[in-house]
Amino acid sequence: DGGITQSPKYLFRKEGQNVTLSCEQNLNHDAMYWYRQDPGQGLRLIYYSQIVNDFQKGDIAEGYSVSREKKESFPLTVTSAQKNPTAFYLCASSTGTAFSRQPQHFGDGTRLSIL
Amino acid sequence: GQQVMQIPQYQHVQEGEDFTTYCNSSTTLSNIQWYKQRPGGHPVFLIQLVKSGEVKKQKRLTFQFGEAKKNSSLHITATQTTDVGTYFCAGTGTASKLTFGTGTRLQVTL
Repeated sequence: DGGITQSPKYLFRKEGQNVTLSCEQNLNHDAMYWYRQDPGQGLRLIYYSQIVNDFQKGDIAEGYSVSREKKESFPLTVTSAQKNPTAFYLCASSTGTAFSRQPQHFGDGTRLSIL
Repeated sequence: GQQVMQIPQYQHVQEGEDFTTYCNSSTTLSNIQWYKQRPGGHPVFLIQLVKSGEVKKQKRLTFQFGEAKKNSSLHITATQTTDVGTYFCAGTGTASKLTFGTGTRLQVTL
């Protein structure tokens, strides 16, 4: 079955620590996205990538970094510069053609908390 | 930047009652998508509208795109407990990327 796998499901971060959230897809999609969801709020775009080796900042990129070395993988690093990282992080993918008009497929998410 | 607001934030209905959520954008949209997120789950794509004044139906769900392409609505007829969740609209404005709305959480009780 094709889909998006996010790991881990739960993650705890200590102060001053960087953590990396994994996102892998086998849908052969060109575009991938990272969103942050806070309780009772919508999804806010952190970073997105339309093609391998290229990515763009979203609306709330400060304190986060990404890489896109392979089509199927788009890991997100939450750095120590992100002062309020506690949130639910969702990875998504879509076909690349006119990507903003394509349905996005989401993973099950990673819940990040601060120790 | 582009903002997409939804109202209401939360609605609690009795099973069998109708429900409507409204989505309003600060800018004209080229398309609007709707997603449903069940409690503890991830958003799932429902539908996309692209034409001014477009109306689409999926069983008990009716989706509309406004004539000015700045607003949209989702109407559910005769809600069921399986309709529980948060409904998000998402639209593409001048920045050519999808912006999600704030969501409407629907609770349905017997």
